[in-house]
Amino acid sequence: EVQLLESGGGLVQPGGSLRLSCAASGFTFSSYGMSWVRQAPGKGLEWVSAISARADSTNYADSVKGRFTISRDSSKDTLYLQMTSLRADDTAVYFCAKPSSASGRYYPYDVWGQGTQVTVSA
Amino acid sequence: DIQMTQSPSTLSASVGDRVTITCRASQSISSSLAWYQQKPGKAPKLLIEKASSLETGVPSRFSGSGSGTEFTLTISSLQPDDFATYYCQQYNSYSRAFGQGTKVEIK
Repeated sequence: EVQLLESGGGLVQPGGSLRLSCAASGFTFSSYGMSWVRQAPGKGLEWVSAISARADSTNYADSVKGRFTISRDSSKDTLYLQMTSLRADDTAVYFCAKPSSASGRYYPYDVWGQGTQVTVSA
Repeated sequence: DIQMTQSPSTLSASVGDRVTITCRASQSISSSLAWYQQKPGKAPKLLIEKASSLETGVPSRFSGSGSGTEFTLTISSLQPDDFATYYCQQYNSYSRAFGQGTKVEIK
């Protein structure tokens, strides 16, 4: 069964840092570009960041550029999101997501994790 | 960046109703459009990709259409399990923006 399991969320003070992890199983992780998507309380979905299968390309939403870093360790089938200079408006559930195809360009997300809550508050 | 605009934001309907949700892109995205269903406290579920291609296991009462900048999601006969929030997403460019969502409520 294809699964994604996020961890690392929690309560952090403004200006603090947090690293999220997403453990993948049931598919060839190294073949897929992966993404992070977040959802603030009562709000819609916001694409956050993506990384290519070989980790040679990364993209970020303007709202997190310069503060968040996406990375992956294909030897551990794990995706990461390093978050620094956190702000109150970063409070959200963070999902990792797998695209429906591994073959080039961009695809929608057919597998999602259950999400991990990040709360930024003093 | 490409912006996605959904309408309406909220839709009140009854079981058996035909429901249509619209999604507009700020520039052409060809057919690189997906629709998701999300229920409270759950991750989104992919319903449709390539604007009109139904995912395996998704009931045939769901359908999608459109290309370029204007797209629609139609539920032909609303069922109790369909009350949820629906999102469109473009994947023509790296930003993969989502629409703001349409909540389908019980009338």
